[in-house]
Amino acid sequence: DSGVTQTPKHLITATGQRVTLRCSPRSGDLSVYWYQQSLDQGLQFLIQYYNGEERAKGNILERFSAQQFPDLHSELNLSSLELGDSALYFCASSPTRATNQETQYFGPGTRLLVL
Amino acid sequence: GDSVTQMEGPVTLSEEAFLTINCTYTATGYPSLFWYVQYPGEGLQLLLKATKADDKGSNKGFEATYRKETTSFHLEKGSVQVSDSAVYFCALSSKGAQKLVFGQGTRLTINP
Repeated sequence: DSGVTQTPKHLITATGQRVTLRCSPRSGDLSVYWYQQSLDQGLQFLIQYYNGEERAKGNILERFSAQQFPDLHSELNLSSLELGDSALYFCASSPTRATNQETQYFGPGTRLLVL
Repeated sequence: GDSVTQMEGPVTLSEEAFLTINCTYTATGYPSLFWYVQYPGEGLQLLLKATKADDKGSNKGFEATYRKETTSFHLEKGSVQVSDSAVYFCALSSKGAQKLVFGQGTRLTINP
């Protein structure tokens, strides 16, 4: 158990809909990362937040947005969903933003299926 | 941009066989290198890491050495077990950034 929790575990929805994925980082970790794992694209970095502020952005679509709240939990919002958004979405956390040597601890993921 | 290339899978071995999973990378500067493992139905777990050239990361019998001259970080284990069956990901994190760039993953199956 990494200490990172994600809800829900599974999500089935229809095209055009909007969903929210939730992540609670390990106690004390200030950085939260979101990754997408799909069969065709592999594991890709979406976005990083540090202590409530956006820190880095990767291949995140404009239809997707995220935020980190004062209690440090994070939410990833996916809107106008398309079939191709079906994937496993992972959240990870690390203690700081200070170095590229830090280990990132991953949650169990949310599996999204868009029908 | 930064990238990681892993050997194609799947890889199937018998118990107690020697394992090598190749990983090479392209990055500016000196990245940190990681091996993560994903067991069925679970998230990724850090297996080992190395943060500078010639460092050797090791854990649970697995080892990998950061080779700057060949830009490689190959994963090895001397004697695999059925419980090692999983998907293995090589990843890097460049200096000045924290995002992980992953290879495509290698599915390993160990038969008794």
